[in-house]
Amino acid sequence: KAGVTQTPRYLIKTRGQQVTLSCSPISGHRSVSWYQQTPGQGLQFLFEYFSETQRNKGNFPGRFSGRQFSNSRSEMNVSTLELGDSALYLCASSQRGPGTGMSEQYFGPGTRLTVT
Amino acid sequence: GEDVEQSLFLSVREGDSSVINCTYTDSSSTYLYWYKQEPGAGLQLLTYIFSNMDMKQDQRLTVLLNKKDKHLSLRIADTQTGDSAIYFCAGGGFQKLVFGTGTRLLVSP
Repeated sequence: KAGVTQTPRYLIKTRGQQVTLSCSPISGHRSVSWYQQTPGQGLQFLFEYFSETQRNKGNFPGRFSGRQFSNSRSEMNVSTLELGDSALYLCASSQRGPGTGMSEQYFGPGTRLTVT
Repeated sequence: GEDVEQSLFLSVREGDSSVINCTYTDSSSTYLYWYKQEPGAGLQLLTYIFSNMDMKQDQRLTVLLNKKDKHLSLRIADTQTGDSAIYFCAGGGFQKLVFGTGTRLLVSP
């Protein structure tokens, strides 16, 4: 079974630009979560989607958005990039979603975004 | 909201046992998890414990949970150089995981 894939793996953008990151979950998984990892703030939850619906959202500004398609693939978008958005963005997939009983989350390798 | 704290760094010799500690504030998590992150990689689930358990053993890994003190620990027996990584504890919140700050484990030969 293929694992969680994220594209692209590395990205360099300029302040003010926007970026779209993609996540393909494990086949059969309907939940996709996104996390931002930085040295200063650690791992922070961005949002979670299940069957195309956003079920939970972290404490991030509206510049961060996401969506999920009918095939469970998910994208996240960051508009008007700031230097502080430089981070490793991780997505994770699971069958039922985090916090809903024991539903193991499988993480992708992440997309490393650098904003200059 | 949930707050999860870990010590930042642990250094051990190969063959020794490693104990990584975690404290959390929200006791409503049904499950508590330990994840491992190697350089350049995502997170790998190592083990988990149900909140009504005190201990869980999984091969070289032992998880201890003290609900009264809101303290979780991960013991790695016979630590190997391949265990060098960052270890995160996490609690299951509503439709999200709340991660600790991560403990960098360095295993020297």
